[in-house]
Amino acid sequence: EVQLVESGGVVIQPGGSLRLSCAASGFSFDDYAMHWVRQGPGKGLEWVSVVTWDGGTKYYTDSVKGRFTISRDNRKKSLYLQMNSLRVEDSALYYCAKDRGYLSPVYSFDSWGQGTLVTVSS
Amino acid sequence: DIQMTQSPYSLSASVGDRVTITCRASQKISKYLNWYQQKPGKAPKLLISGASNLRSGVPSRFSGSGSGTDFTLTISSLQPEDFATYYCQQSYSSPRLTFGGGTEVEI
Repeated sequence: EVQLVESGGVVIQPGGSLRLSCAASGFSFDDYAMHWVRQGPGKGLEWVSVVTWDGGTKYYTDSVKGRFTISRDNRKKSLYLQMNSLRVEDSALYYCAKDRGYLSPVYSFDSWGQGTLVTVSS
Repeated sequence: DIQMTQSPYSLSASVGDRVTITCRASQKISKYLNWYQQKPGKAPKLLISGASNLRSGVPSRFSGSGSGTDFTLTISSLQPEDFATYYCQQSYSSPRLTFGGGTEVEI
């Protein structure tokens, strides 16, 4: 059974930094691209970032470019999101999600974690 | 970015009803359209990929159709466990992925 468990969410002041983690199990982690998707309080879903299976290619939504960095450690079966220069509008539940495509991403998400809550507030 | 517009915003239906949710893309996206179900307090779940391909384990009362700009998610006979919010998501302009605003289905 695929399991994704996020951690690292906290309440933090604007301008602060935070690293989210996602521990994966139940599948061959290093065969799949991984994503971060967020959901603001009472809002819809917003794709944030993706990293390919080997960590070689990374993409970001425009609003986080230059501030967030996605990474992965295949030996530890873990996904990360380094978040810098946090803004109030980054407040959200952050989900780790597995891409459906084997080796090559197809950009749909067939497994999700339970999310970790980031609140940016002064 | 491709905008995804869902309608209705919310709907109220009864058990056994046939329910249809519409998703419209701001430009043609072929069949690069996925549907998710999100129950309160839970993570989203992928129901349909490629506009019409039902995921394994998803009840057959769910179906998807459409291509180009107009897509539908249909629940043929609504069940109490189908109370949820449904999202469409385009992957045509990957990696610039976008979701629809969601449709809340109330029983």
